[in-house]
Amino acid sequence: GAGVSQSPSNKVTEKGKDVELRCDPISGHTALYWYRQSLGQGLEFLIYFQGNSAPDKSGLPSDRFSAERTGGSVSTLTIQRTQQEDSAVYLCASSLRTTNEKLFFGSGTQLSVL
Amino acid sequence: DQQVKQNSPSLSVQEGRISILNCDYTNSMFDYFLWYKKYPAEGPTFLISISSIKDKNEDGRFTVFLNKSAKHLSLHIVPSQPGDSAVYFCAARGYGGSQGNLIFGKGTKLSVKP
Repeated sequence: GAGVSQSPSNKVTEKGKDVELRCDPISGHTALYWYRQSLGQGLEFLIYFQGNSAPDKSGLPSDRFSAERTGGSVSTLTIQRTQQEDSAVYLCASSLRTTNEKLFFGSGTQLSVL
Repeated sequence: DQQVKQNSPSLSVQEGRISILNCDYTNSMFDYFLWYKKYPAEGPTFLISISSIKDKNEDGRFTVFLNKSAKHLSLHIVPSQPGDSAVYFCAARGYGGSQGNLIFGKGTKLSVKP
């Protein structure tokens, strides 16, 4: 596609439920990133995929968070047993290669945990 | 511990005047700095960048200045236009691109008044 696509754009869930957020990166981009932005905060790094290498999971806040990237393209971020503090905008970005600092972001998924 | 700090959460400027957005960082190993611009309900978009070997980079109305000794960079927008109203994020990249992610500040909301 022309840009990074994320779905859903909005997700409201109840505390304790699991959610899955999807990201379709720009075709041909080998690097894919997940960030989140909580209210009043900056962009917080979560996880990064580069080609077939093991992902950098150093930003995941807890073991309730996981992500996978299938076939080097689409990525899914899963949050298990959601908590209210998980409420945030989850942003996906892709870039042509690791050392390319220009990230292209999707519009994000607004997650609200009630 | 924030490595990239944007100490002004908001800035209001009159149309036609200069907007100056500031950013401080703590890690001397950062080798590349970027500014991203974000409109509501959209993902951040790349605006301008600067390598640590330079002290100035200009692109049209946008100029980024880097003062390595002070670990400070700034974004100048002149003349400011109402369409520039957005949240501006400063970001930094680790040395040699070894970090698979950018570290972002909390953002400064710029309002340009007609």
